[in-house]
Order: sequence, then C-alpha cells, then structure tokens
Amino acid sequence: EAGVVQSPRYKIIEKKQPVAFWCNPISGHNTLYWYRQNLGQGPELLIRYENEEAVDDSQLPKDRFSAERLKGVDSTLKIQPAELGDSAVYLCASSLPQGGAFFGQGTRLTVV
Amino acid sequence: AQSVTQPDIHITVSEGASLELRCNYSYGATPYLFWYVQSPGQGLQLLLKYFSGDTLVQGIKGFEAEFKRSQSSFNLRKPSVHWSDAAEYFCAVGAKGDMRFGAGTRLTVKP
Repeated sequence: EAGVVQSPRYKIIEKKQPVAFWCNPISGHNTLYWYRQNLGQGPELLIRYENEEAVDDSQLPKDRFSAERLKGVDSTLKIQPAELGDSAVYLCASSLPQGGAFFGQGTRLTVV
Repeated sequence: AQSVTQPDIHITVSEGASLELRCNYSYGATPYLFWYVQSPGQGLQLLLKYFSGDTLVQGIKGFEAEFKRSQSSFNLRKPSVHWSDAAEYFCAVGAKGDMRFGAGTRLTVKP
C-alpha cells in the first residue's frame, strides 16, 4: 500500500513569489493534516481536514496561506507571497478515525 | 489547551544500553498519545500509540511506552539501544484527530 505522497521534495523560491505543495493521502484516510516543521522543533499544525471540510485552521496564517482538499482526497497548500520566515519543512499526514497519523516525506521550502 | 513537554532536548546513550525518553502532557480529558521517530531528512514514522486499555503499549522496533495518568506522562523505553535508533523522537497528544507535538528529543548512540 502506498504511503502519503508529497511533492515536490524540495523547493527554493525568492521571497514574494508564490509556491504550492501537493499531497496525496493514503487511500481511505478521511483525515488529512498539514504541518509545518521548523529546524529543531516539532511539527506545528496548520490545518486539518475531515474529508473535504477544514475543521481546524486556527493556526493557518490566512493572509498568505491557503489550502484546499477537493473531493476529499488530494490536497494543496499554497503560500502567496512567500516570506523568508516561511522556510521550513511542510509535512502532510493522513489518518483513519482513532488512528495514528501517517506522514509523507515532506517538502523542504527555502525562501531566499 | 493541550500541550506536550519533552524535557530532554538531547540524550546520549551507549549502544546496548537501555533508553527512556520522557513525555509529559496536559489535556482536559483522556488523551490519545503517540510516539514518532524522525530520521534525518525523513518524515515521521509512528512507533506506537495509546488510546485506552492496557497502559503499557508495545510498538515497532522493540519500543514500548507506559501511560501514567497520575503523572500525566507517557515515557518511551527500549531495553537495548541499537546504533540505528539514533534519530529525533517526538511525543504527541490529541483526540479526534487534533494532534499536537512536543519539541522532540534527539537521541545520539555511542558505539
């Protein structure tokens, strides 16, 4: 069974440019998460979906970040415009109800 | 609000020695508790989880963890550490999908 797939693995962009990350969760997993992980820290939740509904986006900087999960499967996280402080690893995860989350490899974003 | 504290930023153990990584949590109800491991440049891998029942849970790679409600703790243990266990370990707490992570403990294994 395929795990959580994220792309791209790495992305380098100039500040003020837009960037998008894509995530394909494990088949059948209704819950999808986007986390941001800064160097030397634990993952911080940005947004959580139950099917196509965003049920927790309280930590998502809505002035520049947006996310969508069309048809309750794949998800895209976008930053526009990117700032230097957005450099981090962006992790996608998915889970079943009452299950531990399974993580993708992450996208390492560098904003220069 | 829920939170997780991992008191040890970095731990060094000798190969073959026993290991215990500490995790304390704050949560308003009975929590779901998790331990994850992250190797350099990799995503997080679930080691074990506790939802209810037996307070001693077994995980992959020979790890186990014990839930102690009175101490609000969920410490991770391994009787004999292998060099390949060197990684970052994260404790997480949550329920109904709302999962929050600690800052992590970096494990170094000496030959």
